[in-house]
Amino acid sequence: AQKVTQAQTEISVVEKEDVTLDCVYETRDTTYYLFWYKQPPSGELVFLIRRNSFDEQNEISGRYSWNFQKSTSSFNFTITASQVVDSAVYFCALRDSNYQLIWGAGTKLIIKP
Amino acid sequence: DAGVIQSPRHEVTEMGQEVTLRCKPISGHDYLFWYRQTMMRGLELLIYFNNNVPIDDSGMPEDRFSAKMPNASFSTLKIQPSEPRDSAVYFCASSAAGGSNEQFFGPGTRLTVL
Repeated sequence: AQKVTQAQTEISVVEKEDVTLDCVYETRDTTYYLFWYKQPPSGELVFLIRRNSFDEQNEISGRYSWNFQKSTSSFNFTITASQVVDSAVYFCALRDSNYQLIWGAGTKLIIKP
Repeated sequence: DAGVIQSPRHEVTEMGQEVTLRCKPISGHDYLFWYRQTMMRGLELLIYFNNNVPIDDSGMPEDRFSAKMPNASFSTLKIQPSEPRDSAVYFCASSAAGGSNEQFFGPGTRLTVL
């Protein structure tokens, strides 16, 4: 069965702290794709990153970084030096062989000034 | 470039009324997806199209829901008759050919059925 687990329902940190959002997935497919999306309080869903199963290189984009480890079926997301504008709900998703996205429940991130 | 466009942004209606949500995907995208988001159930895929053809509608809750895509630049999601439990945010998303491509979401339609 395809499944995405985001065990952290809500995380609260003080601005400038680093924070890691966990994502664990289950799939039987050998080829698959993982995604992270951000949903700020305004409600839109913003694409952040895509990673395919053959590429385990970590990705860094500014203050954002992603750690993909097939051995532990994890695709974790770290924000360095968090800012208030990072406050949002973050979703991890897995694309299955039917082109559908299997979504995690989301992690609500609160950055306090 | 214009992103995915949805209308209306907000809709308030009374139980039993027909509701039509509209979506214009990103030009050149071959896949179109309709999602529903609620606090209780999170994000649910309702239906998706490839090249205007419905591929999987197994997520459509019941016969009151229907979706069409008459051409590559327009899709509708209709609820008839609407019920209070249909209250949710409905998102439309599109992606380029090839399932590996990321989906880009519209701003959503917040539907309230009284």
